[in-house]
Amino acid sequence: QSALTQPASVSGSPGQSITISCTGTSSDVGGYNYVSWYQQHPGKAPKLMIYDVSNRPSGVSNRFSGSKSDNTASLTISGLQAEDEADYYCSSYTTSSTDVFGTGTKVTVL
Amino acid sequence: EVQLVQSGAEVKKPGESLRISCKGSGYRFTSYWISWVRQMPGKGLEWMGRIDPSDSYTEYSPSFQGHVTISADKSISTAYLQWSRLKASDTAMYYCARREYRSSPFDPWGQGTLVTVSS
Repeated sequence: QSALTQPASVSGSPGQSITISCTGTSSDVGGYNYVSWYQQHPGKAPKLMIYDVSNRPSGVSNRFSGSKSDNTASLTISGLQAEDEADYYCSSYTTSSTDVFGTGTKVTVL
Repeated sequence: EVQLVQSGAEVKKPGESLRISCKGSGYRFTSYWISWVRQMPGKGLEWMGRIDPSDSYTEYSPSFQGHVTISADKSISTAYLQWSRLKASDTAMYYCARREYRSSPFDPWGQGTLVTVSS
């Protein structure tokens, strides 16, 4: 199972919106609506930000939103803030009953 | 509060065995799967496998099948990740994470256990 493909880095100025893509195949991202997104600050454990493509857990800012089209999922962060600077990973359940993570994207707030 | 608390950092030599742990609290341990995730230094997340603590049924990523063993002791709400013969390439941070179903998101995560394998 190959890792899902994410851009290595994305940057934006405070207040701007950015979008991170996550491309897989019909066996993972395209196969189910079980895509989730995780935020990881340096030296910390990952934190769930979006699940089932577009649902936000309680306590996560509504500046974070998710979507999916065919084999590509996306995470959008609107009103970018300094605290959003972190690594972001997508994850998908697969048709083989396994899980696969994305390659990870470093978000920089300029 | 739902929590997963992992055992502390380990320094081992190649060829040695190791078992690290992940203790759940604040919820019914047998009602949720526990997954293990590897993060090598400076690298991304890799799903290793999962266990259903209610009956210790396990599923592994093909990349890790045969290299590690996942187990659980439901009487003490603890899951384990075990190696019989460590290699230098096993040096990584290892996280456990809870999920309700096979396809559910990973939430929450343990704080991580750093394993260093060096001669």
